[in-house]
Amino acid sequence: GEDVEQSLFLSVREGDSSVINCTYTDSSSTYLYWYKQEPGAGLQLLTYIFSNMDMKQDQRLTVLLNKKDKHLSLRIADTQTGDSAIYFCAGYNNNDMRFGAGTRLTVKP
Amino acid sequence: DTEVTQTPKHLVMGMTNKKSLKCEQHMGHRAMYWYKQKAKKPPELMFVYSYEKLSINESVPSRFSPECPNSSLLNLHLHALQPEDSALYLCASSQPPGGAFFGQGTRLTVV
Repeated sequence: GEDVEQSLFLSVREGDSSVINCTYTDSSSTYLYWYKQEPGAGLQLLTYIFSNMDMKQDQRLTVLLNKKDKHLSLRIADTQTGDSAIYFCAGYNNNDMRFGAGTRLTVKP
Repeated sequence: DTEVTQTPKHLVMGMTNKKSLKCEQHMGHRAMYWYKQKAKKPPELMFVYSYEKLSINESVPSRFSPECPNSSLLNLHLHALQPEDSALYLCASSQPPGGAFFGQGTRLTVV
């Protein structure tokens, strides 16, 4: 299975950009995902990237993948207080999907 | 319909009880998952079913017994659980490349 690491906490001001980072160990991951979890809720799929892509943009979200360094990042532009949540990256290969520890994003007004 | 429905939302059970968690999806996804999530921790993979066959079992104790009656349903049968099994149990389904869709979870308390 995939081992995935993330920094645990990030605090930004409203309107700033947030960058959440993730590193993974298994280079055979075919897809990499970002999920958001608010308190008491399930996981919401935000976006994903194929392992053969470098970048994907989806409205305020930009995913960057550096396959050589096995590094994945999620940039949230114009961060809002509603973006406060835990963000998980996940690696997927052949039905096996593993999550990083999660980054708690706090957005200050 | 991009919904995964889990029932019940909350469950309190004694250590001698037998109960079942249920999960349903109608997206035609062929992979279905059970995850366990403790507070302030990431989801931990328990089981994966692919085309209604168990494809991954992460060395889960036998007091947890999964079942996939058909391509839309996934059950998790619980028997003789321990207090440390108290957690949020999440079901998900997926059809790559679209990623997995998660239910809202069943919050299980074992007393």
